[in-house]
Amino acid sequence: KAGVTQTPRYLIKTRGQQVTLSCSPISGHRSVSWYQQTPGQGLQFLFEYFSETQRNKGNFPGRFSGRQFSNSRSEMNVSTLELGDSALYLCASSLEVKNTEAFFGQGTRLTVV
Amino acid sequence: DAKTTQPNSMESNEEEPVHLPCNHSTISGTDYIHWYRQLPSQGPEYVIHGLTSNVNNRMASLAIAEDRKSSTLILHRATLRDAAVYYCILKTSGSRLTFGEGTQLTVNP
Repeated sequence: KAGVTQTPRYLIKTRGQQVTLSCSPISGHRSVSWYQQTPGQGLQFLFEYFSETQRNKGNFPGRFSGRQFSNSRSEMNVSTLELGDSALYLCASSLEVKNTEAFFGQGTRLTVV
Repeated sequence: DAKTTQPNSMESNEEEPVHLPCNHSTISGTDYIHWYRQLPSQGPEYVIHGLTSNVNNRMASLAIAEDRKSSTLILHRATLRDAAVYYCILKTSGSRLTFGEGTQLTVNP
């Protein structure tokens, strides 16, 4: 079956703009999590959604937001982009069963100039 | 989430076994031990997980100490494709993964 699909793969934006990233989970997976990866901070958890509800949120400013649709697809939005938001944004999906594995997409590489 | 400690880097030769250690002295009784790896330019990939007993799958084995304060990921025969950053993560419930710095594994031909 198809894996986790993230679009777009690459994106260049200007400071102050906003951006929306998309994630399609594996069919049947209802949990979607988002992570930010930078050379300095490593992999950091952004938020987790399950059945259209945000269940958990990492330590990021309110400029970072997300949502999940009824088909489990998820989007994350970053408003008023800063240079420091340049990163690889990764989405992971999993079944709603405690302690199953997460499946990651290839990520979206965002560059803010 | 409880903290894990891993060596920054390790080196191995191709076709030899690799033992990647992880210390988690503050592990609680409900924490599962998960291992993920990340190959260059890819998202992390699940490797294996366990609670108390040793676990085997097609990718690797996980050996868990009796007191659960440490664990070892075992790659039985390293290949060049196994060169990656390996993350040891303690997970209680839900989907959230708290990544540390991981161990950069280099495999020499």
